[in-house]
Amino acid sequence: QQQVKQSPQSLIVQKGGISIINCAYENTAFDYFPWYQQFPGKGPALLIAIRPDVSEKKEGRFTISFNKSAKQFSLHIMDSQPGDSATYFCAASKRGGTSYGKLTFGQGTILTVHP
Amino acid sequence: DARVTQTPRHKVTEMGQEVTMRCQPILGHNTVFWYRQTMMQGLELLAYFRNRAPLDDSGMPKDRFSAEMPDATLATLKIQPSEPRDSAVYFCASGLAVPAEQYFGPGTRLTVT
Repeated sequence: QQQVKQSPQSLIVQKGGISIINCAYENTAFDYFPWYQQFPGKGPALLIAIRPDVSEKKEGRFTISFNKSAKQFSLHIMDSQPGDSATYFCAASKRGGTSYGKLTFGQGTILTVHP
Repeated sequence: DARVTQTPRHKVTEMGQEVTMRCQPILGHNTVFWYRQTMMQGLELLAYFRNRAPLDDSGMPKDRFSAEMPDATLATLKIQPSEPRDSAVYFCASGLAVPAEQYFGPGTRLTVT
């Protein structure tokens, strides 16, 4: 119930295309869903996050879509650029108890954007 | 520009030696996490602290790993004795419990030969 399943493992997109990464979770107590971006040799960095009271959040070219009934959320990168090539992690966290603030991470997606 | 700092950035050591990694969380953050990242296992949570108290260290091999927060500005992760399978990148992250945003340091790349 603590798992977050992420797909695909790797993704190749042409410059200007749309990159879509999906995540699914089981634990209905999760109420915070961030995405992290990691470049080689760097630590993961918070990219965008959503709470389940909204179905979509957009920041620039990055959009999270959230489907509470399906327990799924996805990251869409519009007009993908070579500089977006990185590993992307979805994560989830729940309120309450001693574990609040603790993130459960997906396995990561390696995105390559070809020029 | 507040950020998490980690030292050392790289460490090469021989099997059996003690390794200590240090982390300075962002000032004011009350939660500190230690992660290990490998190609095979991805990001694994080893331990985390809130207000310097350990909350969960179930991800750590107890016989060789230990984590402490001697004060609010320093977290340490120690491996004794180190083994080749400990080779990985170790990340420290800090944050506030709510809304669970975590800020990662640059990592310590550990190689045990």
